[in-house]
Amino acid sequence: DSGVTQTPKHLITATGQRVTLRCSPRSGDLSVYWYQQSLDQGLQFLIQYYNGEERAKGNILERFSAQQFPDLHSELNLSSLELGDSALYFCASSVDPGTPSGWGWSYNEQFFGPGTRLTVL
Amino acid sequence: ELKVEQNPLFLSMQEGKNYTIYCNYSTTSDRLYWYRQDPGKSLESLFVLLSNGAVKQEGRLMASLDTKARLSTLHITAAVHDLSATYFCAVDGDTGNQFYFGTGTSLTVIP
Repeated sequence: DSGVTQTPKHLITATGQRVTLRCSPRSGDLSVYWYQQSLDQGLQFLIQYYNGEERAKGNILERFSAQQFPDLHSELNLSSLELGDSALYFCASSVDPGTPSGWGWSYNEQFFGPGTRLTVL
Repeated sequence: ELKVEQNPLFLSMQEGKNYTIYCNYSTTSDRLYWYRQDPGKSLESLFVLLSNGAVKQEGRLMASLDTKARLSTLHITAAVHDLSATYFCAVDGDTGNQFYFGTGTSLTVIP
């Protein structure tokens, strides 16, 4: 158990709908990352937040958006869903690079949540 | 364009044999990460390699990093069935704020 939680585990919805995926990072981690994993695209980095602010953007569609709240949990919103959006969505968290940890400096090792499997019918 | 390429993509090996998975990348990152994913499960961090020449070992797995060649290897010694999984390497982007995964190597260890 990585300490990262994601809800829901499974989500089945129809095309055109909107869904929200939720992620709670490990205690003490300030960075949250979102990834999409599909058979044809592999593991794609979507977006990163650090302490409430967007830090980096990857291959995230305009129909998708995310935010990180003051309590550090994050939500990924997917709208106008298409069949091709069916995938496993992972959230990961990390201690941001340059942050002191118990054994020195913690680097960008990420700890992954169990994922949300989204099926769009 | 940034690339993280692994080979082979699929590997079927007999128990007790040795093999190496290769990860080539195109960023200037001096850090590289290896993850394991079991079917339908999440990713588990295996190794974090932080500098050129870094070598880490855990059980039957050993990872190394050559930043000059932009190459990391994951060596499997005397494979056992429990090692069957997909292995991903990953690197930081050049700005340090993105993360790029390799294509993955699906390993099946046959008794």
